[in-house]
Amino acid sequence: DTAVSQTPKYLVTQMGNDKSIKCEQNLGHDTMYWYKQDSKKFLKIMFSYNNKELIINETVPNRFSPKSPDKAHLNLHINSLELGDSAVYFCASSPTGGAWGETQYFGPGTRLLVL
Amino acid sequence: AQSVTQLGSHVSVSEGALVLLRCNYSSSVPPYLFWYVQYPNQGLQLLLKYTTGATLVKGINGFEAEFKKSETSFHLTKPSAHMSDAAEYFCAVSPGNTGGFKTIFGAGTRLFVKA
Repeated sequence: DTAVSQTPKYLVTQMGNDKSIKCEQNLGHDTMYWYKQDSKKFLKIMFSYNNKELIINETVPNRFSPKSPDKAHLNLHINSLELGDSAVYFCASSPTGGAWGETQYFGPGTRLLVL
Repeated sequence: AQSVTQLGSHVSVSEGALVLLRCNYSSSVPPYLFWYVQYPNQGLQLLLKYTTGATLVKGINGFEAEFKKSETSFHLTKPSAHMSDAAEYFCAVSPGNTGGFKTIFGAGTRLFVKA
């Protein structure tokens, strides 16, 4: 069973479109994250949710809107896609919220290419 | 504020040689430190972590790291490289007692293993 899954795995779209990426974890964790990894492999946190509540929003443009319908799911909707949004987006989860050195469990990533 | 610096964006070793990946951190509170590995086209997975206690930490696949507070370092080593170790390695720091939800990742070090 996949612990953290993301769909789709690949996403190719035109500038200006709106797209969503879905993430689900079956680990029973309370906290979920979205990260963006750019072409240089730099990994930056975008959002963190704890029990469906937004905890971290790292100055991400308003075009990005996370939604957590329950603590097992954290989806990412992106409006008006731009070329600079091309990246790999990783979902992750951790048991409670990163305190006390918790391990984060990552999904396989969604490779987004905006043309 | 916490930060992580990985020295060397690329490291190349011969199969069977020592692997040394360098990581220095900055933290105003006792840090929790991690090494994650990312194989091609996959998500990150935990190699090892330091929370408290013994400063020499052993991880999976024969890797280990030593927390040196005086040097603010957490270098990753493996006595003998294997071809399967070729991957991207990320050092990360978690704020510790200030609460979780945010882990800061270094820029990554790509390890090449030559036959």
